Amino acid sequence: DAKTTQPPSMDCAEGRAANLPCNHSTISGNEYVYWYRQIHSQGPQYIIHGLKNNETNEMASLIITEDRKSSTLILPHATLRDTAVYYCIVREPTGNQFYFGTGTSLTVIP
Amino acid sequence: GAVVSQHPSRVICKSGTSVKIECRSLDFQATTMFWYRQFPKQSLMLMATSNEGSKATYEQGVEKDKFLINHASLTLSTLTVTSAHPEDSSFYICSVVGASGNTIYFGEGSWLTVV
Repeated sequence: DAKTTQPPSMDCAEGRAANLPCNHSTISGNEYVYWYRQIHSQGPQYIIHGLKNNETNEMASLIITEDRKSSTLILPHATLRDTAVYYCIVREPTGNQFYFGTGTSLTVIP
Repeated sequence: GAVVSQHPSRVICKSGTSVKIECRSLDFQATTMFWYRQFPKQSLMLMATSNEGSKATYEQGVEKDKFLINHASLTLSTLTVTSAHPEDSSFYICSVVGASGNTIYFGEGSWLTVV
């Protein structure tokens, strides 16, 4: 079962930062937080992952709270192509199965 | 470029027939692959874990005799939907663990429509 909860939908103005929250209050110490997004009718696309430190790559930044019970994915300058469903997933270190929650449908508005 | 390839991307079949969907790992060998199903406006649901050279492991509630999985090589897993019915119409997606073990890559998905 999914260990994460996310708001069902969010809007963001084009060019502004999109901040997508995720709660994972039951996460254990060795479980990673992964973020994927799915554009309509396509397979999920990897965005970023982290354990406890904040992470940044060319796509986004991941901020994980000190207690690791929640995290935020930040898209620094949202574009219309960032409109998608964003999934936050907790991954066990020895497991490669992903149990998806309902995700957040992000709409970037011109 | 793509790491995981699925074929076909779209298929329509008649009710009662069987249809096979292929998932190929393009860049590395994969002893394990995963199959998901996604109904419209819903999230992805893990169906089964495909293990090279051994039987697949199915999630609770997934009929193993209906969704046959074969992982005959380190780069290919197939999902066969047997005796398909309209309620099997869905988006089927596979995934593969990357060579580093840190990233999981998904295929582009296969749309199945049973008429």
